[in-house]
Amino acid sequence: DIQMTQSPSSLSASVGDRVTITCRASQSISHFLNWYQHKSGEVPKLLIYAASRLQSGVPSRFSGSGSGTDFTLTISSLQPEDTATYFCQQSYSSPPYNFGPGTNLEI
Amino acid sequence: EVQLVESGGGLVQPGGSLRLACAASGFTLGSHSMNWVRQAPGKGLEWISYIASSTTNKYYADSVKGRFTISRDNARNSLYLQMNSLADEDTAVYYCARLGSGIYLEDAFDIWGQGTVVTVSS
Repeated sequence: DIQMTQSPSSLSASVGDRVTITCRASQSISHFLNWYQHKSGEVPKLLIYAASRLQSGVPSRFSGSGSGTDFTLTISSLQPEDTATYFCQQSYSSPPYNFGPGTNLEI
Repeated sequence: EVQLVESGGGLVQPGGSLRLACAASGFTLGSHSMNWVRQAPGKGLEWISYIASSTTNKYYADSVKGRFTISRDNARNSLYLQMNSLADEDTAVYYCARLGSGIYLEDAFDIWGQGTVVTVSS
């Protein structure tokens, strides 16, 4: 199975900051990488699919990049409502659709 | 409105069984492959099972293989997860999640249910 890692595991930032979260796959997964936002008590939400494609309705301050084994999720100007845990997920050799361990973002 | 609603969670003793259901509305369940994902307390998201739209193909995480069974009734627009031989480590919020449609989106979970809580405890 392909294993996913994320860094950092947690971070604290301020409103207006630019934030980058990194996800790494244990082998090449081409562009088959998704990002989800999970707020406490809410339903996980798809932000980015296929590494860089913005899901409908997601604010444009969210963007994704990368291919192969290394990927990034960037929030260009942090907003208070962005407090959440962010998960990456590989969909290359799937199932299984393995998730990364998550990054806790505190504003 | 496109929606998934889970039900069937609850408190069960170790070794017991539960059957979770996921009702779809606002779209045709039979057009999508579906998954179950869980989140144990203080842990991350764990994919546990997949079923193809046609029901032909089913997959399970090693952690639940042989104990859980995924199924669907497209006529009822419903997805199910039969959970047997439950153990403490199965305590989690269980979500059903839809694989999207269209190029690229078919490999992402675009719609999630609100989750149902399963607690395994004596």
